[in-house]
Amino acid sequence: DGGITQSPKYLFRKEGQNVTLSCEQNLNHDAMYWYRQDPGQGLRLIYYSQIVNDFQKGDIAEGYSVSREKKESFPLTVTSAQKNPTAFYLCASSIVFSSGTSYNEQFFGPGTRLTVL
Amino acid sequence: AQSVAQPEDQVNVAEGNPLTVKCTYSVSGNPYLFWYVQYPNRGLQFLLKYITGDNLVKGSYGFEAEFNKSQTSFHLKKPSALVSDSALYFCAVTPTGGGNKLTFGTGTQLKVEL
Repeated sequence: DGGITQSPKYLFRKEGQNVTLSCEQNLNHDAMYWYRQDPGQGLRLIYYSQIVNDFQKGDIAEGYSVSREKKESFPLTVTSAQKNPTAFYLCASSIVFSSGTSYNEQFFGPGTRLTVL
Repeated sequence: AQSVAQPEDQVNVAEGNPLTVKCTYSVSGNPYLFWYVQYPNRGLQFLLKYITGDNLVKGSYGFEAEFNKSQTSFHLKKPSALVSDSALYFCAVTPTGGGNKLTFGTGTQLKVEL
């Protein structure tokens, strides 16, 4: 059963804490992405990675960090520097061609809802 | 920079009637265009995409979309709506050669009523 898993489904954070959201895929995709979803704002790209040990900032990277030590895994850490972290976080993956361009669709995980207490 | 506009926050339609969810885009060069659907508290599911070729693209669950280059639009359509089509729909774009970065619209809530 191929796909993307995210854990936990719900996460509660106290102010000042760092938390890490897990994203794992068994689709053998090279590229992985993290998005943040807020009501009425659509999806905004936080970070993305096209290859192991390499990643790039998206549009709203401040207060977040990622790692890509394995092809299958792309964890996202929400740091205490992120002032408004309450949101729905979505992880996705896609195929990447050798040219670095991909017009293949992204596959999404079920999401993690983060709430700051 | 690319952008996507979904001008309607919500679209209401009666079951059995045709539905249209609007999307316009702005990119440099030729676009790759996508539609996704999201059910409450779930991830996004891919519906269809336009890469090149025929301007009318057919996708999952009976949905289709028409690419119009002169109007920079990619409206999502279905001939006969179902109550189960009620969900949040997102249009997304990436320019040719633009790598993997998708830009999403703000979403349109579709409500299909009996």
